[in-house]
Amino acid sequence: NAGVTQTPKFRILKIGQSMTLQCTQDMNHNYMYWYRQDPGMGLKLIYYSVGAGITDKGEVPNGYNVSRSTTEDFPLRLELAAPSQTSVYFCASTDAGVYGYTFGSGTRLTVV
Amino acid sequence: DAKTTQPPSMDCAEGRAANLPCNHSTISGNEYVYWYRQIHSQGPQYIIHGLKNNETNEMASLIITEDRKSSTLILPHATLRDTAVYYCIVTTPTDSWGKLQFGAGTQVVVTP
Repeated sequence: NAGVTQTPKFRILKIGQSMTLQCTQDMNHNYMYWYRQDPGMGLKLIYYSVGAGITDKGEVPNGYNVSRSTTEDFPLRLELAAPSQTSVYFCASTDAGVYGYTFGSGTRLTVV
Repeated sequence: DAKTTQPPSMDCAEGRAANLPCNHSTISGNEYVYWYRQIHSQGPQYIIHGLKNNETNEMASLIITEDRKSSTLILPHATLRDTAVYYCIVTTPTDSWGKLQFGAGTQVVVTP
């Protein structure tokens, strides 16, 4: 049982490049989330999904896109990378019962 | 969701109990108190949660006051590996998709 797996762990992008951050969970959780964490700050919600085919914006969605074609996968797409997107990105999932979220180990992204 | 107030930092000696306070004076009747921690550069980790009663698991104990306006997370025998930022979050589980809001938390440093 791997939990929530994020790839890659590190990435450097040039301004204007695109990339997809991958997130996969093997717990059959319906609810999945993408957060970003800037240095010294708390986590901010980017997008979330309550099930396959359903996504919605969080607090800071601009510059990102998501899709949820399966229960397991919730990729985050950056289309035109900007320095302001330099951050650590965390994916999380939950069964939306009483229990807590399970987070991945994060992707550290630098845009130069 | 109700807001929470935590001290920005606290120190604890290894082997001693660490008592982390959290104020949530505007908590409503159906909101739970959750605690997470984030060890440097890692994804947040769920610790414990409670509604009214005190709770204990293998990681910690949660003490909630009778009026539910504050709570204390207790790490019974702190170790160096407990050095982390601890977040107190109040939320309604069934409505929590996308609403898990992380504040600044309490930076706990466990010293030898």
